[in-house]
Amino acid sequence: AQKITQTQPGMFVQEKEAVTLDCTYDTSDQSYGLFWYKQPSSGEMIFLIYQGSYDEQNATEGRYSLNFQKARKSANLVISASQLGDSAMYFCAMREGNDYKLSFGAGTTVTVRA
Amino acid sequence: NAGVTQTPKFRVLKTGQSMTLLCAQDMNHEYMYWYRQDPGMGLRLIHYSVGEGTTAKGEVPDGYNVSRLKKQNFLLGLESAAPSQTSVYFCASRGSGGAQETQYFGPGTRLLVL
Repeated sequence: AQKITQTQPGMFVQEKEAVTLDCTYDTSDQSYGLFWYKQPSSGEMIFLIYQGSYDEQNATEGRYSLNFQKARKSANLVISASQLGDSAMYFCAMREGNDYKLSFGAGTTVTVRA
Repeated sequence: NAGVTQTPKFRVLKTGQSMTLLCAQDMNHEYMYWYRQDPGMGLRLIHYSVGEGTTAKGEVPDGYNVSRLKKQNFLLGLESAAPSQTSVYFCASRGSGGAQETQYFGPGTRLLVL
């Protein structure tokens, strides 16, 4: 069974607007973590933001925020004030267990239009 | 401080040939991981290591072997390459920090098996 589901293969967003990338997850663990990574066309994986399962507040990092709804098992990424440099593939990932393995979703491609 | 490096960056193999991908990290990290990335499937874990001298299977280990003889190096071997192993391979490492610590990724190795 898929542990991480990203249902949006691709999205277009206008520059300076906000965009929400969906991520739902499946786990029976009480302790887990959710990560978002950005992969630009150059190929490197860039860490954006982290949310722990016990964190009561939604995580924020600059223009990135994570809308964590634990009961719905969703961890959506919100990018505010989109910039052309935000055009990339975005991956949601979940950490389970003590060996810190990550399970990744299929990714969402974001294209920012001027 | 180079972070995580991977050698080679690109390689073309013929079916049945063998090769070794080298991952090196200079951050004194305990945990190291090998992933493969295929279009539309995100990253999938091949093998990982929780410390020098240890290895464990991930989600898609068949056709690959690994070794972690030194803490800073994690080798991924293909004994008899197959076209299905055409992919981009990412190595990652992680320290022993808190649950929020991210994995740090190398730049990737693009492998084409003909």
